[in-house]
Amino acid sequence: EIVLTQSPGTLSLSPGERATLSCRASQTISNIYFAWYQQKPGRAPRLLIYATSNRATGIPDRFSGSGSGTDFTLTISRLESEDFAVYYCQHYGTSPPYTFGQGTKLEIK
Amino acid sequence: EGQLVESGGDLVQPGGSLRLSCVASEFTFSKYSMHWVRQAPGKGLEWVSYIVGGSGSDIYYADSVKGRFTISRDNAKNSVYVQMNSLRAEDTAVYYCARGNHDSGSHRMDVWGKGTTVTVSS
Repeated sequence: EIVLTQSPGTLSLSPGERATLSCRASQTISNIYFAWYQQKPGRAPRLLIYATSNRATGIPDRFSGSGSGTDFTLTISRLESEDFAVYYCQHYGTSPPYTFGQGTKLEIK
Repeated sequence: EGQLVESGGDLVQPGGSLRLSCVASEFTFSKYSMHWVRQAPGKGLEWVSYIVGGSGSDIYYADSVKGRFTISRDNAKNSVYVQMNSLRAEDTAVYYCARGNHDSGSHRMDVWGKGTTVTVSS
């Protein structure tokens, strides 16, 4: 089973700053099976990025994804107030389990 | 893009049973695989179960629910279900259904419902 470890657990930044969130896999995974989700309090998760670097429908271009092998990154170029939320990475491969990372909370500093 | 609406969440005693439903709209339901994902209070996301599109012949479960939960689908009703038996306190969570999209070879959960709450307590 692939384990995903996200860092940091909490990231405190101000609007306008750049956010860099990391996700490390316990073994090499294919880029096409890696995704990021955003979740705000009391809301369902929302797909942000799929196949490591493809933005989902309606996601602004300040969100970008990169990485390969075991190390993946979500970057938010200039934070806006609505970006403060919890972010999860996910490995969704050809067989289960379809694991999520434990989440990174992005909070306003 | 599609919508999903879950229902069936409730307060149930340990050892009890519950059936959750998820109704899809605004997309061709039969073509897509479907998932159940849960989130315990204050915790992260946990994948629970998967059923392939079409006949639903491929089904998977997380180890934590294997043998207790059963996923199924009814394409005529645009619905996916999870029958949950032998419920435990640790099954307490918000349960989301999500659409699995596999086009272009990449895999993601691109449409999510708002969730339904299951509480297992005496």
